[in-house]
Amino acid sequence: DTGVSQNPRHKITKRGQNVTFRCDPISEHNRLYWYRQTLGQGPEFLTYFQNEAQLEKSRLLSDRFSAERPKGSFSTLEIQRTEQGDSAMYLCASSFPGGRNTIYFGEGSWLTVV
Amino acid sequence: AQRVTQPEKLLSVFKGAPVELKCNYSYSGSPELFWYVQYSRQRLQLLLRHISRESIKGFTADLNKGETSFHLKKPFAQEEDSAMYYCALSLSGSARQLTFGSGTQLTVLP
Repeated sequence: DTGVSQNPRHKITKRGQNVTFRCDPISEHNRLYWYRQTLGQGPEFLTYFQNEAQLEKSRLLSDRFSAERPKGSFSTLEIQRTEQGDSAMYLCASSFPGGRNTIYFGEGSWLTVV
Repeated sequence: AQRVTQPEKLLSVFKGAPVELKCNYSYSGSPELFWYVQYSRQRLQLLLRHISRESIKGFTADLNKGETSFHLKKPFAQEEDSAMYYCALSLSGSARQLTFGSGTQLTVLP
């Protein structure tokens, strides 16, 4: 499967712990996005990278959240001092500018904070 | 701020019946509108976009700027159309940041 890859797929953590999710975009896609999705809702935009530069951040991305894409390839999303409200599906997506610029989503990483 | 509303969380139709999934948006500029679909145990994927004016899997959607709507339609529903459907909006000139509605779960009954 050459689609967007995310891991871990599921993570259960205790409140207050830090968690990190990894996203490997489709090869040659220089745009990468993180979204969050809670039960019964559509995905909500968190942040966007073009190559290694983080160009857009949502207000949803509090100080406890940090995303990186150090070499313009894979990306990590870290949540520090997790709270129960952080329980959600974290979706990564990627795209290549030009043409149809279709955004391709990964399968997501489920986070449960207990 | 932009907003996408999908008024129906659940929609059931019988196979062969027409189906319409409603989507309304609020945005003062010229947005791009999309429909995304998520089949059971699959990832979210693009179904169609308004600028392409295309028909995918028999589905069409017309952007009505006067009514700020982008309803998804299919004249004859099939059981394989059962899925979660999300309407989404991208701001003109943005880096494709998408604002999604809350989704409509479509069930096509045999």
